[in-house]
Amino acid sequence: DMKVTQMPRYLIKRMGENVLLECGQDMSHETMYWYRQDPGLGLQLIYISYDVDSNSEGDIPKGYRVSRKKREHFSLILDSAKTNQTSVYFCASSTGTYQDTQYFGPGTRLLVL
Amino acid sequence: AQRVTQVQPTGSSQWGEEVTLDCSYETSEYFYRIFWYRQLFSGEMVFLIYQPSFDTQNQRSGRYSVVFQKSFKSISLVISASQPEDSGTYFCALSGNYNQGKLIFGQGTKLSIKP
Repeated sequence: DMKVTQMPRYLIKRMGENVLLECGQDMSHETMYWYRQDPGLGLQLIYISYDVDSNSEGDIPKGYRVSRKKREHFSLILDSAKTNQTSVYFCASSTGTYQDTQYFGPGTRLLVL
Repeated sequence: AQRVTQVQPTGSSQWGEEVTLDCSYETSEYFYRIFWYRQLFSGEMVFLIYQPSFDTQNQRSGRYSVVFQKSFKSISLVISASQPEDSGTYFCALSGNYNQGKLIFGQGTKLSIKP
């Protein structure tokens, strides 16, 4: 079974704290993504990773950074979280080809107080 | 610019009926794909089906099929024999070659299937 996992599933942080969201996949997919979803909106792309240490900004990268040291693992880091970063964060993965199907993790609900 | 629009914020149907969800899009690319995902009440995004732009045949996967009208830049998802478990929010998404492989999502249609 193809699977994308995310940890933690729920997280509450105070403004100014650091946040680490983790994503794993067991499909040896080259490309991984971080999106965020806000009420009433579709998903917006934060970062793309094409492989280990090969990351690219998406549409809304400000306030975020990423790390990919192993192909199966992709982290999203919020240094000094802000209240407007309260959202649901989704990780996805696909093979290395553009337009390939992206498989999503279950999401992480982050609340920044 | 690339954009995806789902004008139906909500929809409903009775158990066993066929359901059609609409999506329109804008793109200047020749090769692209349109994906359909369902978001469960738990938040999980589940891939349903996709349509490649170069394929004139409407794609089908189980109870899901699409009606692809390329010249009108529109695509509909058709769910046959709908069931209460089909309830959820359905997203249409566009992927091309020149946008880093990202998916551009519509706003979603929240579907309710009544028993």
